[in-house]
Amino acid sequence: GAVVSQHPSRVICKSGTSVKIECRSLDFQATTMFWYRQFPKQSLMLMATSNEGSKATYEQGVEKDKFLINHASLTLSTLTVTSAHPEDSSFYICSARRDTTYEQYFGPGTRLTVT
Amino acid sequence: GEDVEQSLFLSVREGDSSVINCTYTDSSSTYLYWYKQEPGAGLQLLTYIFSNMDMKQDQRLTVLLNKKDKHLSLRIADTQTGDSAIYFCAETGTSGTYKYIFGTGTRLKVLA
Repeated sequence: GAVVSQHPSRVICKSGTSVKIECRSLDFQATTMFWYRQFPKQSLMLMATSNEGSKATYEQGVEKDKFLINHASLTLSTLTVTSAHPEDSSFYICSARRDTTYEQYFGPGTRLTVT
Repeated sequence: GEDVEQSLFLSVREGDSSVINCTYTDSSSTYLYWYKQEPGAGLQLLTYIFSNMDMKQDQRLTVLLNKKDKHLSLRIADTQTGDSAIYFCAETGTSGTYKYIFGTGTRLKVLA
């Protein structure tokens, strides 16, 4: 079956530093990937749509300069949280849409804690 | 915009059936999904239903779709303690980019 990985699975960083999270589709190509954020005991909120070879599309209220997205290849999208603050602590989940079938597959998530 | 609502909590006894409900507002949804999320983990796709179907059954899971009322339900037969988790329904929106709109999530607790 289709597999999407995220790295790291858990990260703790100091306030003011930047953190990069990777999302990889392991056995299929994904021109489009999605980044979600989930606060404790809440639903997933779409942050942005990542498109290979072009700029990401951000949802309303999401700061594009704070959450940098790079989709450099058909199997890799990265989310960089710049100048992280404690309120950025959250569970970040990506999904990858298979090019041939448009089915989406979710990664296992990355838990970010900013101290 | 699109909105997907679920009841927050459901508690059932082991062996009973669980029914988790979801209402949505986007009548042009193409696919509707049910995902399971265990503590600290990602999303596990349980099942999905195409919008032209009324019912889909997959082992212990039965999905019912009422397009007129925009109501989706997930029935879990013979609920086990391992079914305790948060269940999210999701729909594909109308933007054409296949963005998922997730429901608020229902926390299912199965009592032994």
